[in-house]
Amino acid sequence: SSELTQPPSVSVSPGQTARISCSGETLSKQYVYWYQQRPGQAPILVIYKDSERPSGIPERFSGSSSGTTVTLSISGVQADDEADYYCQSADISGIYWVFGGGTKLTVL
Amino acid sequence: EVQLVESGGDLVKPGGSLRLSCTASGFPFSNAWMSWVRQPPGKGLEWLGRIKGKTDGETIDYSAPVKGRFTISRDDSRNTLYLQMTGLKTEDTAVYYCTTSFYDVLAGVRVYFDVWGTGTTVNVSS
Repeated sequence: SSELTQPPSVSVSPGQTARISCSGETLSKQYVYWYQQRPGQAPILVIYKDSERPSGIPERFSGSSSGTTVTLSISGVQADDEADYYCQSADISGIYWVFGGGTKLTVL
Repeated sequence: EVQLVESGGDLVKPGGSLRLSCTASGFPFSNAWMSWVRQPPGKGLEWLGRIKGKTDGETIDYSAPVKGRFTISRDDSRNTLYLQMTGLKTEDTAVYYCTTSFYDVLAGVRVYFDVWGTGTTVNVSS
């Protein structure tokens, strides 16, 4: 299966570390990309190829991978980090993209 | 400035057709791999398909839910990507985004770009 599973919601207090997981059978073989999406806006890439950070994304955002689970970590969470986060990868062939269901990050 | 701008979204009746456009600027369009992604109201992101760039043969792949109903094409002379949608259903109601990613070299540094348009809204309703 090429499905990606994310928790529907994660809540953290400001200054804490938020960790959002994404699991799927193909993740040990395919890269994962993480997107942040605020209401009414287009997605913004925050991590690519499992752990690389695009230019302009704060160092507070990091990605890690372990077998078939990848994790997006956001340290020193700020109110502005409140958004939906999606993981994205590919099926085993690498041809077809698949998105996780998304995780709503709430900053308490 | 690297930019993608979608257009063509509209209200259309079930069974109808619609063509979306995505105009690119600020990067070499002809070799870019371009994808369409949609997002139904209140729901997550769904990949629809991709067309590869000229040097990769402009191969096209579609997701299962839209294969046979949607057609992706490109006009490199106009820097424009298209999504032709036919047999539209109410469940096709969504914001439709075009997106691409590529590496470029800026000031001697290899930089990864991931670009999304602002989206265009398709509403399929009677």
